[in-house]
Amino acid sequence: EDQVTQSPEALRLQEGESSSLNCSYTVSGLRGLFWYRQDPGKGPEFLFTLYSAGEEKEKERLKATLTKKESFLHITAPKPEDSATYLCAVPPKLIWGAGTKLIIKP
Amino acid sequence: DSGVTQTPKHLITATGQRVTLRCSPRSGDLSVYWYQQSLDQGLQFLIQYYNGEERAKGNILERFSAQQFPDLHSELNLSSLELGDSALYFCASSQNLASETQYFGPGTRLLVL
Repeated sequence: EDQVTQSPEALRLQEGESSSLNCSYTVSGLRGLFWYRQDPGKGPEFLFTLYSAGEEKEKERLKATLTKKESFLHITAPKPEDSATYLCAVPPKLIWGAGTKLIIKP
Repeated sequence: DSGVTQTPKHLITATGQRVTLRCSPRSGDLSVYWYQQSLDQGLQFLIQYYNGEERAKGNILERFSAQQFPDLHSELNLSSLELGDSALYFCASSQNLASETQYFGPGTRLLVL
């Protein structure tokens, strides 16, 4: 059965403390992996699309990487405004992980 | 602003009623997706339309239906509403297929009393 699992469920960090979020998947016929950021009560905001193992993409303090079985979202020196829920999703069956709630304390 | 619009923003109704949620995709996008997100839950894919045709179906209840019109806007119809249908409903759009980036609207918050 196709599945997407995110860990941890929640992560509390101090401002400036770097860490990584994980998205593991068991999907046949992978056609990419999406990362999104969602603030409470708002629609998910697109961050990255990764299409092949070994691919990396960066945006400000965020860097996403992809292997054959999982993806990591690395957060370097986070700021309080990075606090949000981070979601990953795998097409084409549009399976979404439950998300990691990230809280950055000043 | 993603360019995807949804109306209404909020909707309060009673059990047993029927409501219609509306979505306008980004200019040029042919695919529209509907998602349900209950409190503290992940996104549940409901249904996808591409250029007016149903393309993929997720965990959509029989009480729910959707359509995409020639001008590419979409409507999600929810009938015989139950308390458990209270949730945020998001619409997203992409240029073509599900393997492409989806852009989400601000959502419609539905409360069934």
